[in-house]
Amino acid sequence: DAGITQSPRYKITETGRQVTLMCHQTWSHSYMFWYRQDLGHGLRLIYYSAAADITDKGEVPDGYVVSRSKTENFPLTLESATRSQTSVYFCASRAGDSQPQHFGDGTRLSIL
Amino acid sequence: GNSVTQMEGPVTLSEEAFLTINCTYTATGYPSLFWYVQYPGEGLQLLLKATKADDKGSNKGFEATYRKETTSFHLEKGSVQVSDSAVYFCALSDRSEKLVFGKGTKLTVNP
Repeated sequence: DAGITQSPRYKITETGRQVTLMCHQTWSHSYMFWYRQDLGHGLRLIYYSAAADITDKGEVPDGYVVSRSKTENFPLTLESATRSQTSVYFCASRAGDSQPQHFGDGTRLSIL
Repeated sequence: GNSVTQMEGPVTLSEEAFLTINCTYTATGYPSLFWYVQYPGEGLQLLLKATKADDKGSNKGFEATYRKETTSFHLEKGSVQVSDSAVYFCALSDRSEKLVFGKGTKLTVNP
C-alpha cells in the first residue's frame, strides 16, 4: 500500500553511538519533514526537504544530519547520540503548497 | 515568529458530552490552520483544515472556524464518543509551508 513508513519503530542505543532513522514514502511527494515529539513541547521541526538534494534546518537541528539523495527517502542521523535526544521521532511528507502533511507512525528512540 | 497556543489538558469528558478545545495563534499574514489527531501509538492524522478567514473545516463530527478577528481556531464536537480519545494538535502553516504546532491536548472520553 502507498504510504509513509518509518524504521525502526523502536530503538535503544548508548550515548556517543551513531544511529540512523529511516523514512520512506511511496507517493513521490516533494516535501519531507522530520519532527521530534517531547512531553510539554509538542512537535518540533528538526529538518525538512523541499526536493531531492535540497534540505534546510528547522527549529531544533543541532546534533542531527539529514540527506535526500532520492525523492522517496529522507534518513535522519544522530552522529553522536546524547540522552537529550531521547524522544519520539516522526517523519512526514507533503505533495505541494497548501497540501496537508502525512505522518509516519514514529520511531521511539531511547538513549541510555 | 509564528506560534500556536492551545488549552492545556488533559480533558476528561463523558460520552455524548460537548467538546471544545481552544486554539489561538500568532502569525504574520494569512496562515492556513489545521487540527491533527494522534491516537495512541500512531502518527498524526489530519482531522480538518481551513485556509482563509471565516472558513469552517469539518470532519467526523468535528468543526473549527477560522476567526481572523480573534486569531482563533477552536475545535468543537457536539457529542463525543469513547473512540475520540486521543491527543489533538492545533497547527498553522505560513508562507514557508512549515507547520508550527501547539503542544497538544489529551482528550479522554469515558463511557
